[in-house]
Amino acid sequence: KNEVEQSPQNLTAQEGEFITINCSYSVGISALHWLQQHPGGGIVSLFMLSSGKKKHGRLIATINIQEKHSSLHITASHPRDSAVYICAAKGTNFGNEKLTFGTGTRLTIIP
Amino acid sequence: GAGVSQTPSNKVTEKGKYVELRCDPISGHTALYWYRQSLGQGPEFLIYFQGTGAADDSGLPNDRFFAVRPEGSVSTLKIQRTERGDSAVYLCASSKQASGETQYFGPGTRLLVL
Repeated sequence: KNEVEQSPQNLTAQEGEFITINCSYSVGISALHWLQQHPGGGIVSLFMLSSGKKKHGRLIATINIQEKHSSLHITASHPRDSAVYICAAKGTNFGNEKLTFGTGTRLTIIP
Repeated sequence: GAGVSQTPSNKVTEKGKYVELRCDPISGHTALYWYRQSLGQGPEFLIYFQGTGAADDSGLPNDRFFAVRPEGSVSTLKIQRTERGDSAVYLCASSKQASGETQYFGPGTRLLVL
């Protein structure tokens, strides 16, 4: 069992739909990252959060530390949102800075 | 300013050869990370540097893999006696400092071992 799991693995939706991608982790963490990876490999960091909720434009990330669960939401989805979304957890040990990644959710938004 | 850059963008080599992959972090970033991403998988941690020293190399798969950052800026990931299973995208990221900072990723080097 992976320490960080995402669901769904693949998601196809119509333009304008509200999107939710889930991430569950089994270890204690100090922070959780949401990353976006477009075809060709470039990775962009979307959010880093350790509690509560963050919003940037149409993207919202939430985390529930007690339930070891985070969600990434996209409102009014657009074809340009099509990408792989990856969550990654950073451990709690001071000095342990490595990220443990989920396998990603491939999102396709159809016009 | 410039982001994280990696060279080469693509590398094709033969089994058994030696390869070097280079990462130029964002200027002033003290922490540098190497990850490996196999097809269809999420990235896996290899090693991270704080300054010149390797703070955590627990992700290096075996002693064929080695990384250096002699002046605390550019880093080189070295792979000896490459195997077909080493084929992957090798990603580099940097952050201002190690603790609690956003990591900025480079475009990756796609390594193919024939």
